[in-house]
Order: sequence, then structure tokens, then C-alpha cells
Amino acid sequence: EAQVTQNPRYLITVTGKKLTVTCSQNMNHEYMSWYRQDPGLGLRQIYYSMNVEVTDKGDVPEGYKVSRKEKRNFPLILESPSPNQTSLYFCASSQKPLAGTQFFGPGTRLTVL
Amino acid sequence: GENVEQHPSTLSVQEGDSAVIKCTYSDSASNYFPWYKQELGKRPQLIIDIRSNVGEKKDQRIAVTLNKTAKHFSLHITETQPEDSAVYFCAAGDNYGQNFVFGPGTRLSVLP
Repeated sequence: EAQVTQNPRYLITVTGKKLTVTCSQNMNHEYMSWYRQDPGLGLRQIYYSMNVEVTDKGDVPEGYKVSRKEKRNFPLILESPSPNQTSLYFCASSQKPLAGTQFFGPGTRLTVL
Repeated sequence: GENVEQHPSTLSVQEGDSAVIKCTYSDSASNYFPWYKQELGKRPQLIIDIRSNVGEKKDQRIAVTLNKTAKHFSLHITETQPEDSAVYFCAAGDNYGQNFVFGPGTRLSVLP
């Protein structure tokens, strides 16, 4: 089954404790992206990747890191999480940047205390 | 960078009526305009998209129109049904995934 998976789905952590949210797709997609969703603000792009070893900043990259060492995986890293990073996070992928449907993962709800 | 505005923020219609959601964008380089539907507690899913070389696209009860000169595009849903109730997001971007920006969303409620 073609899908985008994220782990964990829910996470409660404390300020400053490094965490990683994993994202994996099994569709051999080149393009992957991370978004955060906050009430009234829609989805804001954090980082995106055009292909392996190619990443770039989106609209709200501060406080986040990503890596793309393999085509299928695109982890989101919060080196020192802060309460303003409490949000719902979505990973997405598509075959080409915008040549087709972006498939979204199920979301990760992160709470930073 | 790109800025996308979306109106209205909430919309209630009677079942069977039409619903229209409008978006405006700022970057004339944007040439890809998708619409996503997000049901409560679920992930966004693409319902229709349009590219800048097309003025209108239709898929059954859903249509999207684009006015590139005025930098606005709209989602039209006809014969609305209760299962159309969801949050709808418009977005604008270029072919390279750069400056891909979503609108803040419209909560559509279809009343039986």
C-alpha cells in the first residue's frame, strides 16, 4: 500500500530535550516536505527536499533541522524544543515537486512543556 | 515571498446549495494552485488543482477557476452534501516546491 508514515503520532516532551520525528514514504517520491499546522494559520512549510542530499528552508525553518540521506526518509529534528513549537506536524511527499498529488502523512501532535 | 489569503474563514450552507471559497495570492511567479480537504482529525487530501495555463477545471461537483491577472482563484462545490463538511485549504506555489504557501483555511459546514 502506497503511504507516508510518521512516528511518533503523539509526543509530549519538555523544553530543551532533543527529539526527532521520522517520516518515511514507500512511493519512491523525489520531493518531501514538512509542515506545521496551527489554528487559524493553516499549514506552513518548514523544510522541503527536492531529492537525496538536497534540502531547503520553507516559510518557518527556525528551530528545526532536517536531513535526506535516503530517498524514502526525511526526519524532522528539534535540537532544543520550545513551547512555541507545540503544534501538529505533517510530512508530505510527491513524485516531482508539484507535478502531482502531495501525499500527507497522518500527522504528529507535539506538545512541548 | 508568497502570501495567500482565503475567505471566508467559515461557511455554512444548506444541503444541496453551492459553496464558493476564494483565495488571493501575491507572487506572480506562482503557477500551481491546489485545493485540499481536511476532515476532523485527518490528514489533508488533494481534491483538485489547477495550473496557470488553465482558467477553469472541473471534476464532478467540484470546480476551480483561476484569474491570473487578478491573482485569485476559487473553489466551487455544487449540490453540497453533509460529507462535504470539512476544512478546505487553498495553496499556491511554483513547479519547484519553493514558496509553497497554504491559505489559513475555510471551515465548511453543510447543514441537512
